[in-house]
Amino acid sequence: QSALTQPASVSGSPGQSITISCSGASSGVGDFNLVSWYQHNAGRAPKLIIYEGTERPSGVSNRFSGSNSGNTASLTISGLQPEDEADYYCCSNVGSMAVFGGGTKLTVL
Amino acid sequence: DVQLVQSGGEVKKPGESLKISCQASGYNFNNKWIAWVRQMPGRGLEYMGIIYPGDSETRYSPSLQGQVTMSVDKSINTAYLQWSSLKASDSAMYYCVRLLTVTAFDFWGQGTLVTVSS
Repeated sequence: QSALTQPASVSGSPGQSITISCSGASSGVGDFNLVSWYQHNAGRAPKLIIYEGTERPSGVSNRFSGSNSGNTASLTISGLQPEDEADYYCCSNVGSMAVFGGGTKLTVL
Repeated sequence: DVQLVQSGGEVKKPGESLKISCQASGYNFNNKWIAWVRQMPGRGLEYMGIIYPGDSETRYSPSLQGQVTMSVDKSINTAYLQWSSLKASDSAMYYCVRLLTVTAFDFWGQGTLVTVSS
């Protein structure tokens, strides 16, 4: 069981917005300002889409945005597109180590 | 361009040893931490640990301490992950990744699939 809790699945229709939450399951989880988010399509390597809570790497669509409040970080995808269907993982730190959330499967209806 | 190129898939028997590699290019290998991340079949991503090529400092996830060994060869910009005695539970896809921050992995290798089966 991960120290970070994500919903197992979310879904939305093309054009809609969805939000995936990531909450710290224990007091040992660190600074949520360091949370990163990854998009993972089967058969491909995961891709960094948000880091340091809100920052987008170069080349990542501005439809992806991150936020955090207290012990919960959130990833919002606006204007859903079919190609957004993937698994999404949050990642935070426990001390100097990283820990991933359990992952959320996004289905675009 | 930054690239991490991993060695090919492996099929091994329980008890055998294995060393997989990750060759970096396009940046100064010595001053960026490298992490290893695994995904077991049907499971999520799991952080294994990190190594700093400049001085080979390593930090292992507590759950994997003693199960694997991370190393580097700076002369050929290559990081390694090795096992001395594989178990069936080591079957997984293994990724090497470059650290941007302690939780941000900005470049990923293509993955090495390790299958351990008798």
